[in-house]
Amino acid sequence: ETGVTQSPTHLIKTRGQQVTLRCSSQSGHNTVSWYQQALGQGPQFIFQYYREEENGRGNFPPRFSGLQFPNYSSELNVNALELDDSALYLCASSSGDRGRETQYFGPGTRLLVL
Amino acid sequence: GNSVTQMEGPVTLSEEAFLTINCTYTATGYPSLFWYVQYPGEGLQLLLKATKADDKGSNKGFEATYRKETTSFHLEKGSVQVSDSAVYFCALKGNDYKLSFGAGTTVTVRA
Repeated sequence: ETGVTQSPTHLIKTRGQQVTLRCSSQSGHNTVSWYQQALGQGPQFIFQYYREEENGRGNFPPRFSGLQFPNYSSELNVNALELDDSALYLCASSSGDRGRETQYFGPGTRLLVL
Repeated sequence: GNSVTQMEGPVTLSEEAFLTINCTYTATGYPSLFWYVQYPGEGLQLLLKATKADDKGSNKGFEATYRKETTSFHLEKGSVQVSDSAVYFCALKGNDYKLSFGAGTTVTVRA
């Protein structure tokens, strides 16, 4: 049990819709990172937030956006959903300067786009 | 950029067999190295880590040694159990503090 929680656990959307996924970080952690894990693959880095600012971004289009709140919880927003966005979305929290320390993962949100 | 290559699976073993999963990496500087495990339907759990060359990470009978000369971080366990059945991911964290993962290795242990 890492103390990182995500909601919802499962979600079904249709192509073109928008979705918001939520993550509560472990107590004392100030950095949240988001990853996309397609079926049968390793997680791919989407972006990272440190003290409410985006701190790095992977190779994902602008329709993937995020927020981090003063309590260090975070949201991942995806606009104009595509079929290929179907995946497990993982958030990870960590502490230290820009997440220097070990990242601890939540259970994930499984998104299905029809 | 940073990348991780790990042994392709699936790997099927009998209980009490020896497990090795190979992992090699490409990175600039001095990355930290990790093994994460994912049980069916769950998120990732940190299994072990090593932050500098020659460090050995260990947990739950699993071990891995950070070998800078061979850019490797192979995972080993001397005697596996059915409960070790899972997908194992090798990962590295470089100066940008993001994790780069391998594709994962599925391990099935039969009683």
